[in-house]
Amino acid sequence: KAGVTQTPRYLIKTRGQQVTLSCSPISGHRSVSWYQQTPGQGLQFLFEYFSETQRNKGNFPGRFSGRQFSNSRSEMNVSTLELGDSALYLCASAVGPGAYNEQFFGPGTRLTVL
Amino acid sequence: AQSVTQLGSHVSVSEGALVLLRCNYSSSVPPYLFWYVQYPNQGLQLLLKYTTGATLVKGINGFEAEFKKSETSFHLTKPSAHMSDAAEYFCAVSTQVGGSYIPTFGRGTSLIVHP
Repeated sequence: KAGVTQTPRYLIKTRGQQVTLSCSPISGHRSVSWYQQTPGQGLQFLFEYFSETQRNKGNFPGRFSGRQFSNSRSEMNVSTLELGDSALYLCASAVGPGAYNEQFFGPGTRLTVL
Repeated sequence: AQSVTQLGSHVSVSEGALVLLRCNYSSSVPPYLFWYVQYPNQGLQLLLKYTTGATLVKGINGFEAEFKKSETSFHLTKPSAHMSDAAEYFCAVSTQVGGSYIPTFGRGTSLIVHP
Protein backbone atom coordinates (compact mmCIF):
# COMPACT_ATOMS: atom_id res chain seq x y z
CA LYS A 1 0.00 0.00 0.00
CA ALA A 2 1.45 3.36 -0.98
CA GLY A 3 2.17 5.81 1.81
CA VAL A 4 1.23 9.45 2.14
CA THR A 5 2.71 11.49 -0.66
CA GLN A 6 3.39 15.20 -0.60
CA THR A 7 4.27 17.42 -3.53
CA PRO A 8 6.44 19.23 -4.10
CA ARG A 9 9.16 18.04 -1.72
CA TYR A 10 11.05 21.32 -1.88
CA LEU A 11 9.88 24.82 -2.69
CA ILE A 12 11.53 28.23 -2.74
CA LYS A 13 9.37 31.35 -2.77
CA THR A 14 9.83 35.03 -2.08
CA ARG A 15 8.01 37.20 0.44
CA GLY A 16 4.54 38.22 -0.63
CA GLN A 17 3.99 35.28 -2.93
CA GLN A 18 1.50 32.54 -2.30
CA VAL A 19 2.05 28.79 -2.31
CA THR A 20 -0.05 25.65 -2.59
CA LEU A 21 1.08 22.34 -1.17
CA SER A 22 -0.53 19.02 -2.02
CA CYS A 23 -1.09 15.86 -0.01
CA SER A 24 -2.38 12.50 -1.20
CA PRO A 25 -3.44 10.28 1.70
CA ILE A 26 -3.17 6.53 1.94
CA SER A 27 -5.92 4.84 -0.05
CA GLY A 28 -9.02 4.48 2.12
CA HIS A 29 -8.00 7.22 4.54
CA ARG A 30 -10.49 10.05 4.77
CA SER A 31 -8.86 12.25 7.40
CA VAL A 32 -5.99 14.56 6.54
CA SER A 33 -4.13 16.79 8.98
CA TRP A 34 -1.47 19.42 8.33
CA TYR A 35 1.40 20.42 10.59
CA GLN A 36 4.13 23.04 10.49
CA GLN A 37 7.55 22.08 11.83
CA THR A 38 10.21 24.72 12.57
CA PRO A 39 13.33 24.69 14.77
CA GLY A 40 11.95 27.57 16.81
CA GLN A 41 8.35 26.51 17.37
CA GLY A 42 8.59 22.77 16.94
CA LEU A 43 5.67 20.85 15.49
CA GLN A 44 2.40 22.74 15.41
CA PHE A 45 -1.03 21.62 14.28
CA LEU A 46 -2.51 23.62 11.41
CA PHE A 47 -5.82 21.98 10.58
CA GLU A 48 -7.64 18.71 10.03
CA TYR A 49 -10.04 17.76 7.26
CA PHE A 50 -12.47 14.88 7.14
CA SER A 51 -14.95 14.23 4.35
CA GLU A 52 -14.15 17.59 2.75
CA THR A 53 -14.94 19.49 5.97
CA GLN A 54 -12.48 21.27 8.21
CA ARG A 55 -12.92 19.76 11.66
CA ASN A 56 -10.23 21.54 13.62
CA LYS A 57 -7.91 24.47 13.18
CA GLY A 58 -4.79 25.41 15.07
CA ASN A 59 -3.70 28.87 16.09
CA PHE A 60 -2.51 30.20 12.75
CA PRO A 61 -3.47 33.38 10.86
CA GLY A 62 -6.03 33.36 8.10
CA ARG A 63 -3.23 33.38 5.51
CA PHE A 64 -3.11 29.65 6.07
CA SER A 65 -6.00 27.78 4.50
CA GLY A 66 -6.74 24.37 3.17
CA ARG A 67 -9.29 22.20 1.52
CA GLN A 68 -10.03 18.57 0.89
CA PHE A 69 -11.43 17.05 -2.26
CA SER A 70 -13.91 14.24 -2.69
CA ASN A 71 -11.07 11.76 -3.27
CA SER A 72 -9.62 12.81 0.14
CA ARG A 73 -6.63 14.55 -1.41
CA SER A 74 -5.88 17.79 0.36
CA GLU A 75 -4.22 21.06 -0.46
CA MET A 76 -2.83 23.72 1.82
CA ASN A 77 -2.43 27.31 0.74
CA VAL A 78 -0.38 30.07 2.29
CA SER A 79 -0.91 33.56 0.95
CA THR A 80 1.31 36.62 1.33
CA LEU A 81 4.30 34.59 2.42
CA GLU A 82 6.51 35.85 5.24
CA LEU A 83 10.05 34.84 6.11
CA GLY A 84 8.73 33.09 9.20
CA ASP A 85 6.67 30.73 7.06
CA SER A 86 9.86 28.89 6.13
CA ALA A 87 9.29 25.43 7.55
CA LEU A 88 8.73 21.77 6.91
CA TYR A 89 5.04 21.22 6.26
CA LEU A 90 3.86 17.74 7.14
CA CYS A 91 0.67 16.06 6.10
CA ALA A 92 -0.77 13.06 7.92
CA SER A 93 -3.65 10.80 6.98
CA ALA A 94 -5.84 8.52 9.06
CA VAL A 95 -8.80 6.27 8.51
CA GLY A 96 -10.97 8.76 10.35
CA PRO A 97 -10.83 11.67 12.77
CA GLY A 98 -10.12 11.21 16.43
CA ALA A 99 -6.96 10.63 18.40
CA TYR A 100 -7.47 6.88 18.57
CA ASN A 101 -6.87 6.57 14.82
CA GLU A 102 -3.20 6.25 13.98
CA GLN A 103 -1.86 9.03 11.79
CA PHE A 104 0.53 8.21 8.97
CA PHE A 105 2.84 11.04 8.02
CA GLY A 106 4.22 11.99 4.66
CA PRO A 107 7.85 13.07 4.15
CA GLY A 108 6.90 16.74 4.14
CA THR A 109 7.36 19.74 1.89
CA ARG A 110 10.33 21.95 2.73
CA LEU A 111 9.30 25.56 2.08
CA THR A 112 11.92 28.28 2.02
CA VAL A 113 10.80 31.90 1.85
CA LEU A 114 13.45 34.40 0.72
CA ALA B 1 -5.08 24.16 27.53
CA GLN B 2 -2.72 21.28 27.13
CA SER B 3 1.06 21.28 26.95
CA VAL B 4 3.88 18.79 26.62
CA THR B 5 7.37 19.07 28.08
CA GLN B 6 10.20 16.85 26.95
CA LEU B 7 13.15 17.05 29.30
CA GLY B 8 16.41 17.29 27.43
CA SER B 9 16.65 18.37 23.83
CA HIS B 10 19.48 15.84 23.41
CA VAL B 11 20.03 12.48 25.07
CA SER B 12 23.23 10.54 24.48
CA VAL B 13 23.62 6.82 25.24
CA SER B 14 26.01 4.04 24.37
CA GLU B 15 24.90 1.17 22.19
CA GLY B 16 23.35 -1.49 24.41
CA ALA B 17 22.51 0.96 27.20
CA LEU B 18 19.07 1.81 28.53
CA VAL B 19 17.19 4.53 26.67
CA LEU B 20 14.99 6.85 28.75
CA LEU B 21 13.25 9.81 27.13
CA ARG B 22 11.13 11.90 29.47
CA CYS B 23 7.75 13.42 28.74
CA ASN B 24 5.43 15.31 31.07
CA TYR B 25 2.10 16.74 30.04
CA SER B 26 -0.59 18.98 31.37
CA SER B 27 -4.20 18.43 30.51
CA SER B 28 -7.44 19.23 32.25
CA VAL B 29 -9.14 16.11 30.89
CA PRO B 30 -7.97 12.54 30.32
CA PRO B 31 -5.59 12.64 27.41
CA TYR B 32 -4.49 10.38 24.65
CA LEU B 33 -0.68 10.14 24.65
CA PHE B 34 1.69 9.32 21.83
CA TRP B 35 5.35 8.87 21.01
CA TYR B 36 6.58 9.43 17.48
CA VAL B 37 10.01 9.00 15.89
CA GLN B 38 11.37 11.08 13.04
CA TYR B 39 14.38 10.11 10.97
CA PRO B 40 16.23 12.73 8.90
CA ASN B 41 14.28 13.99 5.90
CA GLN B 42 11.28 11.87 6.78
CA GLY B 43 7.88 12.35 8.36
CA LEU B 44 6.88 11.10 11.79
CA GLN B 45 6.21 7.46 12.55
CA LEU B 46 4.04 6.35 15.45
CA LEU B 47 5.98 4.34 18.05
CA LEU B 48 3.16 3.76 20.50
CA LYS B 49 0.05 5.34 21.98
CA TYR B 50 -1.96 5.29 25.17
CA THR B 51 -5.71 5.69 24.99
CA THR B 52 -7.29 3.75 27.86
CA GLY B 53 -6.66 0.54 29.74
CA ALA B 54 -3.24 -0.85 30.55
CA THR B 55 -0.85 1.90 31.56
CA LEU B 56 2.23 0.13 30.23
CA VAL B 57 2.17 0.39 26.47
CA LYS B 58 4.44 -1.58 24.16
CA GLY B 59 5.35 -0.21 20.79
CA ILE B 60 7.47 -0.98 17.79
CA ASN B 61 11.24 -1.51 17.76
CA GLY B 62 11.30 -2.63 21.40
CA PHE B 63 10.11 0.66 22.86
CA GLU B 64 7.58 0.96 25.64
CA ALA B 65 6.08 3.76 27.72
CA GLU B 66 4.21 3.93 30.99
CA PHE B 67 1.34 6.31 31.65
CA LYS B 68 1.55 7.63 35.22
CA LYS B 69 -1.45 9.79 35.93
CA SER B 70 -0.25 10.93 39.35
CA GLU B 71 2.99 12.18 37.84
CA THR B 72 1.42 13.34 34.56
CA SER B 73 4.22 11.54 32.80
CA PHE B 74 4.59 9.25 29.80
CA HIS B 75 8.29 8.39 29.63
CA LEU B 76 9.65 6.30 26.75
CA THR B 77 12.10 3.49 27.43
CA LYS B 78 14.04 0.80 25.60
CA PRO B 79 16.22 -1.69 27.47
CA SER B 80 19.07 -1.75 24.96
CA ALA B 81 19.86 1.01 22.48
CA HIS B 82 20.78 0.21 18.91
CA MET B 83 22.60 2.47 16.49
CA SER B 84 19.50 2.56 14.31
CA ASP B 85 17.54 4.19 17.18
CA ALA B 86 19.36 7.48 16.60
CA ALA B 87 16.60 9.88 15.61
CA GLU B 88 14.32 12.66 16.87
CA TYR B 89 11.57 11.57 19.25
CA PHE B 90 8.38 13.48 19.88
CA CYS B 91 5.86 13.10 22.67
CA ALA B 92 2.33 14.29 21.92
CA VAL B 93 -0.93 14.70 23.82
CA SER B 94 -4.38 14.95 22.36
CA THR B 95 -7.50 15.94 24.20
CA GLN B 96 -11.05 16.50 23.14
CA VAL B 97 -12.04 19.97 22.00
CA GLY B 98 -15.66 20.36 21.00
CA GLY B 99 -16.03 16.79 19.85
CA SER B 100 -12.71 16.64 18.04
CA TYR B 101 -9.12 16.13 19.09
CA ILE B 102 -6.34 18.71 18.87
CA PRO B 103 -2.81 17.31 19.15
CA THR B 104 -0.01 19.14 20.94
CA PHE B 105 3.59 18.06 20.45
CA GLY B 106 6.64 18.41 22.63
CA ARG B 107 9.73 20.14 21.26
CA GLY B 108 11.43 16.81 20.60
CA THR B 109 14.43 14.94 21.97
CA SER B 110 17.31 14.00 19.74
CA LEU B 111 18.64 10.55 20.67
CA ILE B 112 22.33 10.06 19.98
CA VAL B 113 23.70 6.53 20.15
CA HIS B 114 27.44 6.01 20.52
CA PRO B 115 29.11 2.77 19.42
